[in-house]
Amino acid sequence: DAMVIQNPRYQVTQFGKPVTLSCSQTLNHNVMYWYQQKSSQAPKLLFHYYDKDFNNEADTPDNFQSRRPNTSFCFLDIRSPGLGDAAMYLCATSRVGGELFFGEGSRLTVL
Amino acid sequence: DAKTTQPPSMDCAEGRAANLPCNHSTISGNEYVYWYRQIHSQGPQYIIHGLKNNETNEMASLIITEDRKSSTLILPHATLRDTAVYYCIVRARGAGNNRKLIWGLGTSLAVNP
Repeated sequence: DAMVIQNPRYQVTQFGKPVTLSCSQTLNHNVMYWYQQKSSQAPKLLFHYYDKDFNNEADTPDNFQSRRPNTSFCFLDIRSPGLGDAAMYLCATSRVGGELFFGEGSRLTVL
Repeated sequence: DAKTTQPPSMDCAEGRAANLPCNHSTISGNEYVYWYRQIHSQGPQYIIHGLKNNETNEMASLIITEDRKSSTLILPHATLRDTAVYYCIVRARGAGNNRKLIWGLGTSLAVNP
């Protein structure tokens, strides 16, 4: 049974049209992460939540925002997607200090 | 920047052991070695981690050299489903942002029939 669920699996949007990706978890983990992974590259951490505390990576563009309304859900908002934002977006969860559990990812295409 | 170095690709025959090396010569005493793998178009999957002792679980074995500057992930009987990119990562102990995973490019393992 899937423990970290991402929706949608595939998202196509137009240049500049806002997109929201969602992530839910059944593990009751404190920490939730969003990663961006471009083709043939390693995952790159965008930000993470420790409970409701938001931690942004220094090089994450302002175009990327996140919300965590409760323990189970986390959203990634891309306010004005550019062609360079086409990527796989990965959500992960963990206990504090524990290993990460990843979802299957949401693949974003920008036209 | 990643603190690990891995060969970009490896091949292994089905049923044989796959030995994936990783160099982490600048590892510090409070850093663990973690391994994840990523099958094509899926999210990464945790495999195993260790500090200084060798570790084994149902998926793999991790051999860490005595000086901790390198390690080897061993898949004892590789199957076609083990074809994936394998990431070796060092991660600090303790809480806080220094525990985030810093990913390198990994090793693309192809298991051949």
